[in-house]
Parts: sequence; C-alpha cells; structure tokens
Amino acid sequence: EAGVAQSPRYKIIEKRQSVAFWCNPISGHATLYWYQQILGQGPKLLIQFQNNGVVDDSQLPKDRFSAERLKGVDSTLKIQPAKLEDSAVYLCASSLIRVKSPLHFGNGTRLTVT
Amino acid sequence: KNEVEQSPQNLTAQEGEFITINCSYSVGISALHWLQQHPGGGIVSLFMLSSGKKKHGRLIATINIQEKHSSLHITASHPRDSAVYICAVRYNTDKLIFGTGTRLQVFP
Repeated sequence: EAGVAQSPRYKIIEKRQSVAFWCNPISGHATLYWYQQILGQGPKLLIQFQNNGVVDDSQLPKDRFSAERLKGVDSTLKIQPAKLEDSAVYLCASSLIRVKSPLHFGNGTRLTVT
Repeated sequence: KNEVEQSPQNLTAQEGEFITINCSYSVGISALHWLQQHPGGGIVSLFMLSSGKKKHGRLIATINIQEKHSSLHITASHPRDSAVYICAVRYNTDKLIFGTGTRLQVFP
C-alpha cells in the first residue's frame, strides 16, 4: 500500500512570498488532516477534511492560509504571504472515515521563511 | 492548558532501562494514538487504543478510560528507541489533538 505522499520535501522562501504544499492521501481515505509542527512543539491542527468538506478549520490563520481538497482526494495548503513565524514542518495525515481507524502520516514539508 | 498533557517532556535513559511515558486528556475520546517521530523524520503510528492494553515487541500501551490516562512503556530500551513520542486523542467528531511530545534519548 502506498503511503501518504507530500511534496515538496523542503522549501525555502522569503517573507511575503507565497508557497503551496501538496498532499496525496492513501487511496480510499476520506479524512485528511494538515498539521503545523514548529520545532520543539507537538503538531497543531490547521484543517481537517472529510472527503471534500471542511470539518474543522478553527486554528487555520485564514488571513494568510488556505486549503482545498476539490475532488476529495489530493489536497493543497497555501500560505500567502508567508511570515517568519510560519517556518515549520507541515504534516499531512489521512485515515478511513471511522474514528477508530489507524492514522497514516506523510514525511512532511519543511518550510523555512527567511 | 493543553487538552492533551504528556509527561515527562524530556527523558534520558541508559540502554536496557524500562521507560514509561504518560498521557492525560481532559474530555471523553473515541481513541488514543501513540506516535513516534524520529529527528527529521515523519511520524509513525505505534498504537491505537480505545480500551485496555496492547503490546508490540518491546512496546506496551495501556489506557484507563475512567481516569483519562494512557501510558506507553518501552522494555529493554535501546539507542534506536531515541525519538519523540507523541500522544494524540481522537474525538467522535474525528478531530485529532496532539500532545506536545516526549523527547526520549537512550544512551548505550
């Protein structure tokens, strides 16, 4: 079974630039999460999708962050414009729709904003 | 206060020692996950628990639903166990909240 794919693996941008991350979950996984993990901290949920609908985006800084999952499969997370404090690893995870199903994580995208 | 509290935050051990990492949460959950994150690496799911105890190799995870508490034990620890261990709780809404993690270093 192919795992959760994320790209790019690394990204370095200057502040005020834009950046986009891509996630391809495991086939058939209806639930998809985007997390932000700042160095030394635990992951923080940014947005949760169920199929192509948003379940929770309460911690997504909507003035600069956006995410979509148009066909209920792949997802993109965008930051526009980036700030220094956005430097973090952005993790994508997916699972089947049942709450007691295992989680699968991608390797993450490490973003450095200079 | 974080919804999911882990202790200790940092842990060092000598090879062979028995290790315990604790996780407490504040409201009812549908499942609890123990995850492992190596430096620079992705996150690997170790266990998913909704009750009782699970064992995989040298790892044991327990959960007490009434006390809202879970523990991860590592028997006969090894330097390759060095990683960050994260507890995450999942609610009936499918929302998943992470603890802050426990950084474990095992020295030979």
